[in-house]
Amino acid sequence: SQKIEQNSEALNIQEGKTATLTCNYTNYSPAYLQWYRQDPGRGPVFLLLIRENEKEKRKERLKVTFDTTLKQSLFHITASQPADSATYLCALEAGSSNTGKLIFGQGTTLQVKP
Amino acid sequence: NAGVTQTPKFQVLKTGQSMTLQCAQDMNHNSMYWYRQDPGMGLRLIYYSASEGTTDKGEVPNGYNVSRLNKREFSLRLESAAPSQTSVYFCASSEWSSGELFFGEGSRLTVL
Repeated sequence: SQKIEQNSEALNIQEGKTATLTCNYTNYSPAYLQWYRQDPGRGPVFLLLIRENEKEKRKERLKVTFDTTLKQSLFHITASQPADSATYLCALEAGSSNTGKLIFGQGTTLQVKP
Repeated sequence: NAGVTQTPKFQVLKTGQSMTLQCAQDMNHNSMYWYRQDPGMGLRLIYYSASEGTTDKGEVPNGYNVSRLNKREFSLRLESAAPSQTSVYFCASSEWSSGELFFGEGSRLTVL
């Protein structure tokens, strides 16, 4: 079955630097991959979706890449701010067909220090 | 603009008791989901409903039942609660099967 691996160790960076988070999956490449942000005590909030035929996608200070050869997605936050501190989750479909069953990685916690 | 509403927000149960978590969305979405989140485990899919009248098992369905009552509502039932079901439960919805998910604020369940 499909598995998602995100770095469970917290990422600590200085304000203004670029944060890079990694999402690796183990089996077949999904048709798309999503990234979410979760603050303590809150539900996840959608950030970006990238499809298998898209190498890169940007939204303001966020950039996501999708490498189906490496089975990996990278999530970048440029010019990071303390307000970016949160847990970031990647998600993709559990099955090889379009079932809509999204599974999530365990998330990586980002701490941006002023 | 409510989005996804879950009730109750907090609940304490004794082992063996039953309860139902309610979820409603007002965005006219077709797909709805129930996840549980435990420390170090991330979000795990319990059940999923692609559209009104259909449900499907996720990664961890044992001990749970669901009902897609109508397009708006998707409930999760614990028939006989166990301490292993202590968790934070999230309901989510999406317009279509491959779309972004909109999550509720979570229901925090403790089973003693």
